Amino acid sequence: SQQGEEDPQALSIQEGENATMNCSYKTSINNLQWYRQNSGRGLVHLILIRSNEREKHSGRLRVTLDTSKKSSSLLITASRAADTASYFCATDGPHGAGGTSYGKLTFGQGTILTVHP
Amino acid sequence: GAGVSQSPSNKVTEKGKDVELRCDPISGHTALYWYRQSLGQGLEFLIYFQGNSAPDKSGLPSDRFSAERTGGSVSTLTIQRTQQEDSAVYLCASSAPWVDQPQHFGDGTRLSIL
Repeated sequence: SQQGEEDPQALSIQEGENATMNCSYKTSINNLQWYRQNSGRGLVHLILIRSNEREKHSGRLRVTLDTSKKSSSLLITASRAADTASYFCATDGPHGAGGTSYGKLTFGQGTILTVHP
Repeated sequence: GAGVSQSPSNKVTEKGKDVELRCDPISGHTALYWYRQSLGQGLEFLIYFQGNSAPDKSGLPSDRFSAERTGGSVSTLTIQRTQQEDSAVYLCASSAPWVDQPQHFGDGTRLSIL
């Protein structure tokens, strides 16, 4: 079952514009991750934000997390045609004993981003 | 270094046949996961292996599905008596065992049941 919802389901923008995708989830988490998937390929990890963090940056990516609202957003600045892909948020729940990763990710439905050159 | 490798990349089989899907994780990653991606259900967790611990099989949809991980490395997902609803992309991922580690995915096996 899906943990949460992402919106929009599809987003179409021009190169150079910013793209914002939102993710909501239902249960408590230890971290939230964003992944990208190009057509016919596996998922590529973009960024991980821990539950005690509120904002994180990586290159042109900015992720925010609001645990009180159980929501996150991914901002891609100065988008490029190569950013065209599906983007998924995934939540990681409670960890096991000894600090090992539970690792059972629960994914949102994804946002299909199209960046027009 | 080498990423997660999955084989075959595509598999077409007849309903009722058994299939085996293989995953070769990144060397040193003790955690290994199988997910299924389909149009109707999105990305679903199937099973999780962590070192020598008993696997978490809570996501397997029926007893026709099973998975093994031999020697703490390569994993095989087996689907017996395949049904048309088993058609999907089966994704494998691996990660380091510590908390807050990203998962590294293979390109998946696209399974089509005729």
